[in-house]
Amino acid sequence: DTEVTQTPKHLVMGMTNKKSLKCEQHMGHRAMYWYKQKAKKPPELMFVYSYEKLSINESVPSRFSPECPNSSLLNLHLHALQPEDSALYLCASSHYGTQETQYFGPGTRLLVL
Amino acid sequence: GNSVTQMEGPVTLSEEAFLTINCTYTATGYPSLFWYVQYPGEGLQLLLKATKADDKGSNKGFEATYRKETTSFHLEKGSVQVSDSAVYFCALISAGGTSYGKLTFGQGTILTVHP
Repeated sequence: DTEVTQTPKHLVMGMTNKKSLKCEQHMGHRAMYWYKQKAKKPPELMFVYSYEKLSINESVPSRFSPECPNSSLLNLHLHALQPEDSALYLCASSHYGTQETQYFGPGTRLLVL
Repeated sequence: GNSVTQMEGPVTLSEEAFLTINCTYTATGYPSLFWYVQYPGEGLQLLLKATKADDKGSNKGFEATYRKETTSFHLEKGSVQVSDSAVYFCALISAGGTSYGKLTFGQGTILTVHP
């Protein structure tokens, strides 16, 4: 089973709202990732967690706050977003975070009004 | 740094036509190479991969061979179907350097297959 699940599937929020995206995998993977994808573009890496510790932050604005409560779960907390943050947010996981295959979830489509 | 260059799209084909999507790369060390596919409104799915030179990845009739001498990983399919219409991303992960563990994507190629 190579399934990564994400909730919600769609999210609409105002610029003053606080919301969270959730990602879950049960493949025993120890690395998890958040990507942002704009229309007609490849995904852009935001954060990497390895063994539940943040290992890479690609200079993402602080209005995005990741959290890894355990090895199966990854959250992305959103606060005071801008309309330009509207995008597809993808979660992925891999065994150890080195050169292995990354498996992606279906994504959360976010619209910021 | 690492980079991936894909042939520009969009690519439009008739059903049962032969497909080639070119992909070349620049990377430190010996990267692993991937093709991902994204169907409309969905996330990325791994299509195939290769981890060392001369490896051939294959899945669902698609194939790609890791060519180190030409730094290429071209995607091919002998007979496309309407259901293959999607965006295809070539990607790599490098084993070393400052890009360690990070997926580097090409720009994506939109494929449309007509009946």
